[in-house]
Amino acid sequence: AQSVTQLDSHVSVSEGTPVLLRCNYSSSYSPSLFWYVQHPNKGLQLLLKYTSAATLVKGINGFEAEFKKSETSFHLTKPSAHMSDAAEYFCVVSPYGNKLVFGAGTILRVKS
Amino acid sequence: DTGVSQNPRHKITKRGQNVTFRCDPISEHNRLYWYRQTLGQGPEFLTYFQNEAQLEKSRLLSDRFSAERPKGSFSTLEIQRTEQGDSAMYLCASSPEGIAGEGETQYFGPGTRLLVL
Repeated sequence: AQSVTQLDSHVSVSEGTPVLLRCNYSSSYSPSLFWYVQHPNKGLQLLLKYTSAATLVKGINGFEAEFKKSETSFHLTKPSAHMSDAAEYFCVVSPYGNKLVFGAGTILRVKS
Repeated sequence: DTGVSQNPRHKITKRGQNVTFRCDPISEHNRLYWYRQTLGQGPEFLTYFQNEAQLEKSRLLSDRFSAERPKGSFSTLEIQRTEQGDSAMYLCASSPEGIAGEGETQYFGPGTRLLVL
């Protein structure tokens, strides 16, 4: 079965410092991987998507993620956190190109 | 730009009552998905449609749940004889049909928050 594990349920960073949200996936073949963000009382928004074209994927708002097959990881990073980045982030795998399998989520707190 | 819309946004009901939610996808998208999200968890897949055909249902979708997409446009999700455990956020998403085996981007609506008393 395809699954994702988000290694931290909460991450706290200071504004202007780097962000690292960790995700490991389980898949019997090369999956499609996504990061979505959910701000309070707002819908899920796609940050970025990996579909085997390039291992380093750039997304919106300065976020990027690197697919590492040997480590089965797809960690999300941003060089400098902004207050508006505070939200819940979901790592997602799409096993067969249709339904999405979500991780449990990581809540990012940004301190001023 | 019209995104995915869901109605109602909030629903409070008493245990045993029936509820129905509606989802209007992005107009040119032929795939429509329903997910459920409980507090502190990521969304879980319930079912999906390609046009009007319901192609997959999760084991989470008990026989009290039924979903339809009669004309391949909007969809409804009905829960009969609601239970307190049905309290959750119900999310709808739509996508165009992508490359086979490659995950297409799903666009999510704001969700319907259900509270069963």
